[in-house]
Amino acid sequence: QTVVTQEPSFSVSPGGTVTLTCGLSSGSVSTSYYPSWYQQTPGQAPRTLIYSTNTRSSGVPDRFSGSIFGNKAALTITGAQADDESTYYCVLYMGSGIWVFGGGTKLTVL
Amino acid sequence: QVQVQESGPGLVKPSETLSLTCTVSGVSISSSSSYWAWFRQPPGKGLEWIGSIYYSGSTYYNPSLNSRVSISVDTSKNQFSLKVDSVTAADTAVFYCARHWTMASSTRFESWGQGTLVTVSS
Repeated sequence: QTVVTQEPSFSVSPGGTVTLTCGLSSGSVSTSYYPSWYQQTPGQAPRTLIYSTNTRSSGVPDRFSGSIFGNKAALTITGAQADDESTYYCVLYMGSGIWVFGGGTKLTVL
Repeated sequence: QVQVQESGPGLVKPSETLSLTCTVSGVSISSSSSYWAWFRQPPGKGLEWIGSIYYSGSTYYNPSLNSRVSISVDTSKNQFSLKVDSVTAADTAVFYCARHWTMASSTRFESWGQGTLVTVSS
């Protein structure tokens, strides 16, 4: 079974830029996987950030952007803020109605 | 504004069936652009998609749970439900429901419920 891979953790300085990635244990991520990104803080429900590779969900600041970066999907945060400290999950469409989440990246802003 | 709310027992005994309901408000569950999805998150772990259902009853399930899971829809109540059979302690998790919006080549999970913790224990 294909595994969706994410960096377990990442650190960024306030005001800095960070790119989180979402890959496959076998193969390359393309727009056909409809990558989407979700932000979650402890005890809270996920928040939808980016869908269909690069479309920001309503109300999401434009410092969040999505793309395909090499053979992976990517979430870039430009001008990181303290309240961006969260866990970020990507999810990919595997076909036949099946969706698979990555393990999540815990982002620290310090 | 679309809202969803999970409900159901917070404690289930091992080997029994876990049953949860998601009540949808702000949109008809029969909306052509909407599937409806269940997710779970074991304590301290990541999110897992369990499955999705369309108002017609068409379903898709996570292959790792397929044999134990069923999702159904009740359009008259604007609700959809989840059943997980033969639960063990490994099924202890926060369960979320959400709208799975799909239109043309665009799709996203949105309008997440607050989540409900289900503990499997005797």
